[in-house]
Amino acid sequence: GESVGLHLPTLSVQEGDNSIINCAYSNSASDYFIWYKQESGKGPQFIIDIRSNMDKRQGQRVTVLLNKTVKHLSLQIAATQPGDSAVYFCAETRQGAQKLVFGQGTRLTINP
Amino acid sequence: ETGVTQTPRHLVMGMTNKKSLKCEQHLGHNAMYWYKQSAKKPLELMFVYNFKEQTENNSVPSRFSPECPNSSHLFLHLHTLQPEDSALYLCASSLGGGDGYTFGSGTRLTVV
Repeated sequence: GESVGLHLPTLSVQEGDNSIINCAYSNSASDYFIWYKQESGKGPQFIIDIRSNMDKRQGQRVTVLLNKTVKHLSLQIAATQPGDSAVYFCAETRQGAQKLVFGQGTRLTINP
Repeated sequence: ETGVTQTPRHLVMGMTNKKSLKCEQHLGHNAMYWYKQSAKKPLELMFVYNFKEQTENNSVPSRFSPECPNSSHLFLHLHTLQPEDSALYLCASSLGGGDGYTFGSGTRLTVV
């Protein structure tokens, strides 16, 4: 399953399928990007980050892709599990700036 | 536990009450933040403190009053709030810049 930009706040996928969550960021000066996962009743938790000198970074079951030309960021989750159900936020910042700017978030639901 | 602790977890207050939210971190971070998270909205940055000095106030109404007595503690004093102030209030800390940005679990505030 795949979401598009910030205009599709929900994404439902079958357990075991791959998920792609997309994010369009706004500031071309941003050089550091982070994906957060927020489960019900908890604060956002760091998943993976990427700096602007890279276009791909892999973690455990997650991959972040960065396309600076179109200011687009995506999070790929492989073989989704029920525990992946959460709201996922992208965030952007630039070196030296203290604050992160967050996207709207996408709610990912895993169907059994 | 993320290393950032917020209390209380839940708070119900009347519009004439005065209450305070507390945030504490022992991660050795220099910067602390208050964010507001409302339903269907991106996280909204409220205040930034760096080495206990306020460096940003994101046009927050004066009924929200932050206090940062040291780099490990952050408070948000609340008085004469409105029902639309009901939200999840998240505290975060970081090393400075976007690195090591860590959130607490938040205080769910309901104004009645």
